[in-house]
Amino acid sequence: AQTVTQSQPEMSVQEAETVTLSCTYDTSENNYYLFWYKQPPSRQMILVIRQEAYKQQNATENRFSVNFQKAAKSFSLKISDSQLGDTAMYFCAFKIQGAQKLVFGQGTRLTINP
Amino acid sequence: DAGVIQSPRHEVTEMGQEVTLRCKPISGHNSLFWYRQTMMRGLELLIYFNNNVPIDDSGMPEDRFSAKMPNASFSTLKIQPSEPRDSAVYFCASRPAPIDNSPLHFGNGTRLTVT
Repeated sequence: AQTVTQSQPEMSVQEAETVTLSCTYDTSENNYYLFWYKQPPSRQMILVIRQEAYKQQNATENRFSVNFQKAAKSFSLKISDSQLGDTAMYFCAFKIQGAQKLVFGQGTRLTINP
Repeated sequence: DAGVIQSPRHEVTEMGQEVTLRCKPISGHNSLFWYRQTMMRGLELLIYFNNNVPIDDSGMPEDRFSAKMPNASFSTLKIQPSEPRDSAVYFCASRPAPIDNSPLHFGNGTRLTVT
């Protein structure tokens, strides 16, 4: 069975700083997809960024980027120039290619302080 | 695109009552998922449908829980009888199944409180 682990239950940084959220996963599959979702206090789950395992280049979406280390089964999220609106729970998620099921980590609560 | 629509947004009920949660997926999305979110267990997949057919209900906690998808635009999750430990946020999500790397699109969730 696939598992996703987020080892940081909570993090807190000052506005404009850079912060990195950790995620590791366990799988014997070679082809899969990884996602980061954001859940602000409004409760809605919002896709932040996704990565295909077959791509060596790390995905980037504006201030959000990932460090994908396939051999280490690591998928960290870096938020640059953090903003107050980045305050949220962040979930790492994993899906095997061809499967439907998305497996989530336990989440990291990120607080951006003014 | 209105997104995934869930109702009600909040539900408070007494133990033993029947609860029905509703979901309208994004038009054209043929996979639908029900997740439950609690502090202790995080996000758990309860059941998912492909083309209105239940594919995997192994996450449904017990027989008190049932889910249906009578057509491509509507699904329900029912709890009967409800218990206080069912209190959680229930999310519905959908995705276009043939597009393998497409993400899940979530509704705003229903916060259920059973007293």
